[in-house]
Amino acid sequence: QSALTQPPSASGSPGQSVTISCTGTSSDVGTYNFVSWYQQHPGKAPKLIIFEVNKRPSGVPDRFSGSKSGSTASLTVSGLQAEDEADYYCSSYATSDNYVFGTGTQVTVV
Amino acid sequence: EVQLVESGGGLVQPGGSLRLSCAASGFTFSTYWMHWVRQTPEKGLVWVSRINSDGTTTTYADFVKGRSTISRDNAKNTLYLQMNGLRVEDTAVYYCARGGSGSQSAWGQGILVTVSS
Repeated sequence: QSALTQPPSASGSPGQSVTISCTGTSSDVGTYNFVSWYQQHPGKAPKLIIFEVNKRPSGVPDRFSGSKSGSTASLTVSGLQAEDEADYYCSSYATSDNYVFGTGTQVTVV
Repeated sequence: EVQLVESGGGLVQPGGSLRLSCAASGFTFSTYWMHWVRQTPEKGLVWVSRINSDGTTTTYADFVKGRSTISRDNAKNTLYLQMNGLRVEDTAVYYCARGGSGSQSAWGQGILVTVSS
């Protein structure tokens, strides 16, 4: 199972929006609506911020939103804040009862 | 508060074995699927294995299949990963994670496994 493809980096100014893409195949993102997104600050464990494509766990700000079209999922962070600077990973359930993560995107708030 | 605490990591020689443990608290452990995920700077997050709530069904990534066994003890609220035939490329931080809705909904702090001679 190959990793899902994400851009290595993305950036935006405070208050702006940034969108991160996550491209998979018909074996994962294209077939299943079990796409998740994780935020990871340096030296910390990942934190779930989006599950089932566009649902937010309790406590996650509504500035974070997810969507999917075909085999590409997207995470949008609106109203960027300094604390949003982190690495972001997508993940999808995949055929053969596997899971696959994305390559990761480093978001910088400039 | 959900807590997942990994232990059992460390330095091991190539070909050696290690058993990771993950102590869970703050939720009803026996009702959740559980996962192991590992991370390296080069490859980022990589899913390793998962087990269903009663321990009867397990799945593995191809790179650990046949070398690792995931298990759980619901009476002790503990998840395990027995790793055998360890390779240098298995060096990583290993996380246990609680499952839920096709995601990994809560994560431990991670434990470092180093495979080196």
